[in-house]
Amino acid sequence: EVQLVQSGAEVKKPGESLKISCKGSGYSFSRYWIGWVRQMPGKGLEWMGIIYPGDADTRYSPSFQGQVTISVDNSIITAYLQWNSLKASDTAMYYCARGHYSGNYFYFDYWGQGTLVTVSS
Amino acid sequence: QSALTQPASVSGSPGQSITISCTGTSGDVGGYNFVSWYQQHPGKAPKLMIYDVSNRPSGVSPRFSGSKSGNTASLTISGLQAEDEADYYCSSYTSSSTPVGFGGGTKLTVL
Repeated sequence: EVQLVQSGAEVKKPGESLKISCKGSGYSFSRYWIGWVRQMPGKGLEWMGIIYPGDADTRYSPSFQGQVTISVDNSIITAYLQWNSLKASDTAMYYCARGHYSGNYFYFDYWGQGTLVTVSS
Repeated sequence: QSALTQPASVSGSPGQSITISCTGTSGDVGGYNFVSWYQQHPGKAPKLMIYDVSNRPSGVSPRFSGSKSGNTASLTISGLQAEDEADYYCSSYTSSSTPVGFGGGTKLTVL
């Protein structure tokens, strides 16, 4: 069974750093893209970026380029989303999802349960 | 603001059929057969319902179908059931710099 299990909820202060994780299982982790999607409270889905564990090819949405870092550790079949300096506006639910590459497009067939990040002073 | 436009809400009675639209441009929805649809129940992760315009993943009810005409993609749910009440998001290729775009979402209410 394909599963993506994300790390638990986080409460942080503005300016702090954070790294959340997404552990894949039940499939060949290195052969599928892993994407990250933000959902701010009461809002819609926003694609942040995506990484291919096989060669660490990483692509970011222009809206998130330079704001976050996506990485992967194949030895522990885990992908990461990282912030160096959090802002209150980073408060959101963050989902990882397994991506299928179709042309220049990705769709996501399995999703993690989400990690709620709250940034407040 | 989303590049893909969806109605904020739609509603229908049990047993009826409803259609949710997703309107883009010739540069995204209209130009490629790269449209997917996701269902999200409150407090839950999204679930893939349709990919590549009209393909259903294994395990998704055949009551869900997708289509496209020009710059508008559509998700149709037939034989509406109470469990279909959820938010629905379309997604499409939007550009080389932002290959994944989402619509603003549509709240489906089953009356």
